[in-house]
Amino acid sequence: GQQVMQIPQYQHVQEGEDFTTYCNSSTTLSNIQWYKQRPGGHPVFLIQLVKSGEVKKQKRLTFQFGEAKKNSSLHITATQTTDVGTYFCARREYGNKLVFGAGTILRVKS
Amino acid sequence: DAGVIQSPRHEVTEMGQEVTLRCKPISGHNSLFWYRQTMMRGLELLIYFNNNVPIDDSGMPEDRFSAKMPNASFSTLKIQPSEPRDSAVYFCASNNPISSGNTIYFGEGSWLTVV
Repeated sequence: GQQVMQIPQYQHVQEGEDFTTYCNSSTTLSNIQWYKQRPGGHPVFLIQLVKSGEVKKQKRLTFQFGEAKKNSSLHITATQTTDVGTYFCARREYGNKLVFGAGTILRVKS
Repeated sequence: DAGVIQSPRHEVTEMGQEVTLRCKPISGHNSLFWYRQTMMRGLELLIYFNNNVPIDDSGMPEDRFSAKMPNASFSTLKIQPSEPRDSAVYFCASNNPISSGNTIYFGEGSWLTVV
């Protein structure tokens, strides 16, 4: 299946700064999921986006799905040290099979 | 709910030895996934079961890897013989589209080191 490309690979921000990770596909996505993995932990589901142009918010996290359904972004406002981890986007295929992007590692300096 | 339970959490073994990883999915979940995570290759789906039947094993690296799901509450991933390149974190995950929608729940992983 087609991979989803994530950028950047790594970002180191000062606490309080904003952070954004992007997920891109060369083909139209039926949906996109986002997961967070803390250091030493396991991936935890954050959200799924399905509709073109969809925007969803979870406190300081804002998720967007592009109009063409070929890209998605996760934006964190005013990062905190609890936000550290790796953020993955994933494309869901048949039967809930997930194909993950490479992830963006976020480090926050306090 | 106890979540997805994996064992062992950590294993160090010598090259050539057999390794068996175990997973108990969340009760009522009928889909089970085995993922492998490494720095180089990220999160890779190895095999996926639905109602205890393997649906897609295209991600299984080679014949040294095998997976079984004898019943709805138990699955194993076996590596025989193990090699140093098999060192990785192996995650089991489960889901039931009816009860949990699109959310896939991961276990805490089995950290395997082959020396």
